[in-house]
Amino acid sequence: QVQLQESGPGLVKPSETLSLTCAVSGYSISSGYYWGWIRQPPGKGLEWIGSIYHSGSTYYNPSLKSRVTISVDTSKNQFSLKLSSVTAADTAVYYCAMCLDSSGYYYYWGQGTLVTVSS
Amino acid sequence: QSVLTQPPSVSGAPGQRVTISCTGSSSNIGAGYDVHWYQQLPGTAPKLLIYGNSNRPSGVPDRFSGSKSGTSASLAITGLQAEDEADYYCQSYDSSLSGLYVFGTGTKVTVL
Repeated sequence: QVQLQESGPGLVKPSETLSLTCAVSGYSISSGYYWGWIRQPPGKGLEWIGSIYHSGSTYYNPSLKSRVTISVDTSKNQFSLKLSSVTAADTAVYYCAMCLDSSGYYYYWGQGTLVTVSS
Repeated sequence: QSVLTQPPSVSGAPGQRVTISCTGSSSNIGAGYDVHWYQQLPGTAPKLLIYGNSNRPSGVPDRFSGSKSGTSASLAITGLQAEDEADYYCQSYDSSLSGLYVFGTGTKVTVL
């Protein structure tokens, strides 16, 4: 059974960089598939942030592309999200998830972590 | 603002059938891209319900079914149960600048 677990600061100051890591167990990232980040502002819907293929190719939401970096560390079997120049609008629950093919469906999800942007 | 539109809410009595629509355009559903559906219970992560328009992952009851036609897709829940009360989201690929992968606006299902 594949399991994903997000970790990182729950509070980030405006204009700083949000950094989250997703630890994967039960499957080796280097073996394949896409690994993504999705967020959900409190009381709102889901927004796709971006994803990374096991080989390192990245795909980003055009609306966030200038601020987002997703990377993978196969030695630690984890992947990471960095979102720069955050504002209150970036306050959300951030989920990491495993995507099984290019059609984009996410089969396994982490439990999510709330990140609040506030001074 | 999502490019996939869903009704904000639908409701039904236990045992009834409800459907949730997901309306897109020629740059996503209408272009032939697959539609996927997720169920999100309160306070939990989304769970994949339907992938590739009509396929159910292992463990998902056959009360849930998906279909696609033209620029729209639908999720049907038959034999509605109290445990089905949740938010439901559709998802697809969009070839415009709106974003590579997009989610629908979400629908709250209430069991009366």
